[in-house]
Formats: sequence, C-alpha cells, structure tokens
Amino acid sequence: GDSVTQMEGPVTLSEEAFLTINCTYTATGYPSLFWYVQYPGEGLQLLLKATKADDKGSNKGFEATYRKETTSFHLEKGSVQVSDSAVYFCALTPSGGSYIPTFGRGTSLIVHP
Amino acid sequence: KAGVTQTPRYLIKTRGQQVTLSCSPISGHRSVSWYQQTPGQGLQFLFEYFSETQRNKGNFPGRFSGRQFSNSRSEMNVSTLELGDSALYLCASSRAGTGGSTGELFFGEGSRLTVL
Repeated sequence: GDSVTQMEGPVTLSEEAFLTINCTYTATGYPSLFWYVQYPGEGLQLLLKATKADDKGSNKGFEATYRKETTSFHLEKGSVQVSDSAVYFCALTPSGGSYIPTFGRGTSLIVHP
Repeated sequence: KAGVTQTPRYLIKTRGQQVTLSCSPISGHRSVSWYQQTPGQGLQFLFEYFSETQRNKGNFPGRFSGRQFSNSRSEMNVSTLELGDSALYLCASSRAGTGGSTGELFFGEGSRLTVL
C-alpha cells in the first residue's frame, strides 16, 4: 500500500537558519503531495501542495518540489522564524480509485531565538 | 468564512462507555473525513463521508462508526471505549466531488478524548 516516510524529529534550529525536512513516498501512479503544519493545540493546516511531477509548491517562504524520479517531496525554507515552530506532516492522496490519504508521522520543528 | 468546527473540544470517559463527536464542515464542502491522532501511531484515517454515504473506510474495528447528515454535518461514534482509544480525533472537510479527492483537506481543531 501507499506510505510516506519523514525524517524523525525534533529538528532544532536557530532563527534564520536553513530548514530541510525530508519526505519520501511509495505509491502507484501519480499521487498528489501535500505538506500540512500543526501548531500546538490546533488542527492541521495546508501549507503547500503539488499535483504532478516537477511541480513546485510554495507558501509563506516554504517550498517543496515533486520529484517523481526520487519519489520525494522535501520541504525547505531559507530562513526560519520562531513562529515556524510546529509539527510538519507530509501526505499524499492517490491518483485514482481510493480517496484514502496517507500521512507521514510528522516532524517537530523547534526554532530558538 | 467559518472553518471546520468540532465539538466537544475535550472530553473524559471511562472504559466501556460510548462517545459521540460532532463535526460541521465548511459551507459548501460535501466530503467529511475523520482521523485519529496518537503519539504512537501518528495520524490514521478512520472514514470518509460524501453526500451522506460512507465512501471510504480505514482499518479500524466496528466500534468506530460515523454518519453524515443532509446538511453535510457529520458525527462519529466510538462504542465500548478502551484505554487505547484516547487520542485527538480530527475532522476534515474538502470540496471533493463524486470522483474522489485530489484536493486539500481543511481540518478542525479536534476533539481530545481521554479514556480512564
């Protein structure tokens, strides 16, 4: 079945550091790929998405590129802020048939001033 | 526009009891899905409803059930609660059509269930 693997956290960075959170997936066909963010005490919010190979999703300074050849969708940000501290989830929805989304385990990001 | 609303936000039950959680989707969204989030298992899909019909179901026992009403509001029920059912239960809505969804999910803040 489908699966999403994320790097384990927590990831601890200083403000203005560069961020990469790795995400790889296993799925048939061409799934849609997403990054969601969960702030403490809240539900998940969509951060960015990509629906086909080589698409780049971007939002709030975060970027991720859909790489079909490496089945990856790594999240990056050039300069993190304390307010970026949260848990980040990589997810996919299949390209056809079942709707059932698959989420990674989540990566906690802690940014220190 | 109002987001996804889940009630109650927090609740405490004892083993063997049952619980009903409610979810009001974003206006115009016809798909509602439910997820269980725990530290050990992460985020797991429970089921999805579209136009009052359960369209997809995850790998959970029959004690977990749900329904959707004509106004798209949804409820999920867990009967005969076990300690392991303690979790954050998240509801999400989407604009999914009859062909399924490739779009984003809009999540509520969740209902945190503690089973003693």
